[in-house]
Amino acid sequence: DAKTTQPTSMDCAEGRAANLPCNHSTISGNEYVYWYRQIHSQGPQYIIHGLKNNETNEMASLIITEDRKSSTLILPHATLRDTAVYYCIVSLMYSGGGADGLTFGKGTHLIIQP
Amino acid sequence: DAMVIQNPRYQVTQFGKPVTLSCSQTLNHNVMYWYQQKSSQAPKLLFHYYDKDFNNEADTPDNFQSRRPNTSFCFLDIRSPGLGDAAMYLCATSREGHRQETQYFGPGTRLLVL
Repeated sequence: DAKTTQPTSMDCAEGRAANLPCNHSTISGNEYVYWYRQIHSQGPQYIIHGLKNNETNEMASLIITEDRKSSTLILPHATLRDTAVYYCIVSLMYSGGGADGLTFGKGTHLIIQP
Repeated sequence: DAMVIQNPRYQVTQFGKPVTLSCSQTLNHNVMYWYQQKSSQAPKLLFHYYDKDFNNEADTPDNFQSRRPNTSFCFLDIRSPGLGDAAMYLCATSREGHRQETQYFGPGTRLLVL
């Protein structure tokens, strides 16, 4: 799986959009970009994933650059409950060998300030 | 509404005393995973079951074993816990194990070794 690089921590004001960057310059053509988050003392929670096109769901938007070497997770109106560690994970669409787990990097600790 | 359940949330054991952590799921998913998360680190996959097939990660110590008696339940056995095994243990499921699928995590069991 391609390696990802994320800032260690970020601050964002409550009510503003939180933009979390992720670099994945060695991504290959069949690898997806996934985002999970982990609120303190809880298990990770799936947010969104994409391959090439930008994606949006009820939680967030995912913007992937045209060359797919980086992406940005956008939380449009951040709340205090969005304070968490956000993990960007790049993984093959299908490993072909059965089930596979996720390889987590260090993630970004996002702190939403009141 | 709980989908992946881990009990207890906190487990204390003594150095060298075998301990078992439990996970159950109401999703009827084929795949169940166990991750270890040490303090201030990202989750690390230990092993997973695809149905009844057990798949161990290459660097998972022999001290860690797992059992899956049926679709709903999966257990993590630590035969002789050391101080270095103190961590959060996360159970997760996915429907078929394809990487494009969402993984659903439980809240975790925090293990303390005295």
